[in-house]
Amino acid sequence: GAVVSQHPSRVICKSGTSVKIECRSLDFQATTMFWYRQFPKKSLMLMATSNEGSKATYEQGVEKDKFLINHASLTLSTLTVTSAHPEDSSFYICSAGAWASGRYNEQFFGPGTRLTVL
Amino acid sequence: AQKITQTQPGMFVQEKEAVTLDCTYDTSDPSYGLFWYKQPSSGEMIFLIYQGSYDQQNATEGRYSLNFQKARKSANLVISASQLGDSAMYFCAMGTGTASKLTFGTGTRLQVTL
Repeated sequence: GAVVSQHPSRVICKSGTSVKIECRSLDFQATTMFWYRQFPKKSLMLMATSNEGSKATYEQGVEKDKFLINHASLTLSTLTVTSAHPEDSSFYICSAGAWASGRYNEQFFGPGTRLTVL
Repeated sequence: AQKITQTQPGMFVQEKEAVTLDCTYDTSDPSYGLFWYKQPSSGEMIFLIYQGSYDQQNATEGRYSLNFQKARKSANLVISASQLGDSAMYFCAMGTGTASKLTFGTGTRLQVTL
C-alpha cells in the first residue's frame, strides 16, 4: 500500500512552454501533498504544500505564478511550470502525507519527474 | 526552527563492513519523528527507518539501525554488512509539530567498494 505515482517521469520541452506534472496517491486518500525540487547532488527543497480543496501554501522564494499547484481531489495534485525556462530544469518530487501510518509526519514519495527545458 | 545537519558529504565503505552515517537535529518541539531515506541514482526516495521522539528503543529494520541519542540530538544511521547496492545518497529528515512538513539534511553519498 501507500503508493504515489508521478507522471510524466521525464519531460523535455522548449523554453516558453508550460509543463504539467501529475502526482497521484494510488491506494489511499491524501488531503495534503507536497512538492519538492531537487538540483543535482543537492537536497530536497520544499516548494509548496498542497491541500485538497484549498490554495497551496508556498515556501518563501517560490513564485506562485510560476509554479501553479492544484489539488482538486483527494488523490491528485498537479504542478504546472508556466513559461518554463532552462533554469527551471530540475528534478521535481511529490509526496503525500500519511496520517494513519503511526509515524510522525510520514510522507510517501513519488518517483520524481525530471524536467529539461531547452 | 527545525534543522537537520549531515556533516559527511561522502563516505566510502568496503563491502560487508558496517558504516555509520551521521545526523544531528535541532528542534524545540518535544514531539518529532526522524526518518532516513535512500535515494539511488534513479531518484526515487526509499524509506529506510523511523524513530519517534518518545520511542524508548532504537529502531531497527533489517540491516538498518538507528542510533538515537536524544540528549545529544543525534540520530545516526548504521548499515551493517554493506552491499554494493547500498551505494546511494542518504538523507536524514525530521517531522515536527502540526505543520506536517519534513526538514531534510544535505545528504551523504555512500560508496560501497569491493
